[in-house]
Amino acid sequence: EAQVTQNPRYLITVTGKKLTVTCSQNMNHEYMSWYRQDPGLGLRQIYYSMNVEVTDKGDVPEGYKVSRKEKRNFPLILESPSPNQTSLYFCASSRLTNEKLFFGSGTQLSVL
Amino acid sequence: AQTVTQSQPEMSVQEAETVTLSCTYDTSENNYYLFWYKQPPSRQMILVIRQEAYKQQNATENRFSVNFQKAAKSFSLKISDSQLGDTAMYFCAFMKVGNQFYFGTGTSLTVIP
Repeated sequence: EAQVTQNPRYLITVTGKKLTVTCSQNMNHEYMSWYRQDPGLGLRQIYYSMNVEVTDKGDVPEGYKVSRKEKRNFPLILESPSPNQTSLYFCASSRLTNEKLFFGSGTQLSVL
Repeated sequence: AQTVTQSQPEMSVQEAETVTLSCTYDTSENNYYLFWYKQPPSRQMILVIRQEAYKQQNATENRFSVNFQKAAKSFSLKISDSQLGDTAMYFCAFMKVGNQFYFGTGTSLTVIP
């Protein structure tokens, strides 16, 4: 089944403790991206990647890192999480950038 | 900078009726793509419809259609014969060539039986 898999679905952590949210797609998509969703703000793009070893900043990249060492994986790294990074996070991929985005199921992150 | 505005935070419609969700965007780009995504309570994001800016013809997908007015930078979504399963948050999105996506703040649609 074609899908984007994000883990974990829920995560509670404390300020400053490094964490990684994983994202993997099995559709051989070139394009992958990360978003955060906050009430009243919609979705905002954090980072995106056109291909292996190619990443670019979105609208809200501060406090986040990504890597694209393999085509199928695009992890989101929070080196030192802060409470303002409490949010619902989505990973997405697509074959071409102007085509339909396939979204993961989301990760609800709470930073205490 | 690109911005996407959805001016209707909440809307409701009677089952089987028609509803239109509005979206405007601001850009200096000439080539771009527009999307409507639906997010039901399950929080899964689902593509509803996609429009290419260089195409004048409005996109249609079954009961969903758009009114794309490029000069006015407007991209509204019309849902005909509304069904209970259409209850969801709807997000308008803009993608410029160069691969950045911009989403609106969403419209929460409730279909009333």
